[in-house]
Parts: sequence; structure tokens; C-alpha cells
Amino acid sequence: NAGVTQTPKFRILKIGQSMTLQCAQDMNHNYMYWYRQDPGMGLKLIYYSVGAGITDKGEVPNGYNVSRSTTEDFPLRLELAAPSQTSVYFCASSYDMTTFGYTFGSGTRLTVV
Amino acid sequence: AQSVSQHNHHVILSEAASLELGCNYSYGGTVNLFWYVQYPGQHLQLLLKYFSGDPLVKGIKGFEAEFIKSKFSFNLRKPSVQWSDTAEYFCAVNALNTGFQKLVFGTGTRLLVSP
Repeated sequence: NAGVTQTPKFRILKIGQSMTLQCAQDMNHNYMYWYRQDPGMGLKLIYYSVGAGITDKGEVPNGYNVSRSTTEDFPLRLELAAPSQTSVYFCASSYDMTTFGYTFGSGTRLTVV
Repeated sequence: AQSVSQHNHHVILSEAASLELGCNYSYGGTVNLFWYVQYPGQHLQLLLKYFSGDPLVKGIKGFEAEFIKSKFSFNLRKPSVQWSDTAEYFCAVNALNTGFQKLVFGTGTRLLVSP
């Protein structure tokens, strides 16, 4: 099925560890986004990309990095995990904003202990 | 900067009750408006969207929303809720002509429908 695939679904990290959250879409969307969702806070944009090789910061980029080497993939990297990064992370993609809105992945629940 | 307010954080209803969830945004220009729903343990799914034209928009599962430009509002309604509507609902706004277009989400409203 076409859509946005995120891996892993769950992960527990120790403080200071690093990891990469994977995101892939097969809809040939140019735009991709990473959000984090915290209870009562809605979704906050971490990073976004308008196409391969182009990324930019969102509202809450500190502690994260991204890359976009292909249209399909948009991994999110946590270099030194901190408890404040405990959250649910959603990747999304869109063809454009005025037609279809976003397609979301199923999320990654990350706990940093 | 754009902002989106959802004033009802938690709503509890009985089945067959009517639903209205409020959404207000702060941007004064042209906007695209969305409602997303997140069922327990699932990802966000598009419920309905408004781009232009008729301000009363109908979405999936009997939901509708009305865009009132003078009030900067896009409230979500459903005449009769079902237990399966238990979910979290997010309003989102894309302000056009502000550079790169991206969605700004409200903080969400958690709806619990009791059978």
C-alpha cells in the first residue's frame, strides 16, 4: 500500500545515545516533514524538506538533524538523546499544500531514560 | 506567526449527542484549513479540508466544518456522535503567501464518546 512508512515503532534510548528514525514514502512527494507530538501540546514541526538535498528547520530543531538524499527517504537523527526528547515522532509527506494536505506515517514512540 | 487555538481540550459526550469542536486561527490572509483525526494508537488522518468556495465543508464519517472568515474560525460539527468517534481531533492551518507553506496544528481536542 502506498503511504509513509516509519521505523521503528517503539524505541527506548539511554541518555546520550544516538539513533536514527527512518521515514520513507512511495508517493513521489517532494515535501516531507518531521513532527513531534507531546500530550496537550499538539504537533510541533522539527524539520522539513521541499525536495532532495533541501532541508530546513522548523519550530523545535534543537537536538535533531535530518538529511534528504533521495525523494523517498527523510531520516531524523538524534545525536545525544535527552529525556526532553521523549515523545511520539510523526513523519509526513505531501504533494503540495493546496490539494491533498499531508499523509502521515504511523509514528515512532521514543522514550529516553 | 500563525497560531491555532482549540479551546476544548477534553470533551465527553454520550452516543447520539451533537458535537461541535472549536478552532480559531490568527492569520489575517488567505488560508487553507484542515481537520485531522487520530484514533487511539493510530496516525493522523485527514477528516476534511477547506480551500475555497462553499464555507460549509463536508468530510468523512458525517463530519462537517464551517469556515467563518470574520471570526477566523473553522469549527467541526457532527449531528450525532458514535462510540467509534472517540479520538483526538486536530485543527490545522496553512497560511498562504507566507513563504514555504506548512501546516500549523492546534493542541488537539480529545473526544470521549460513552456508549
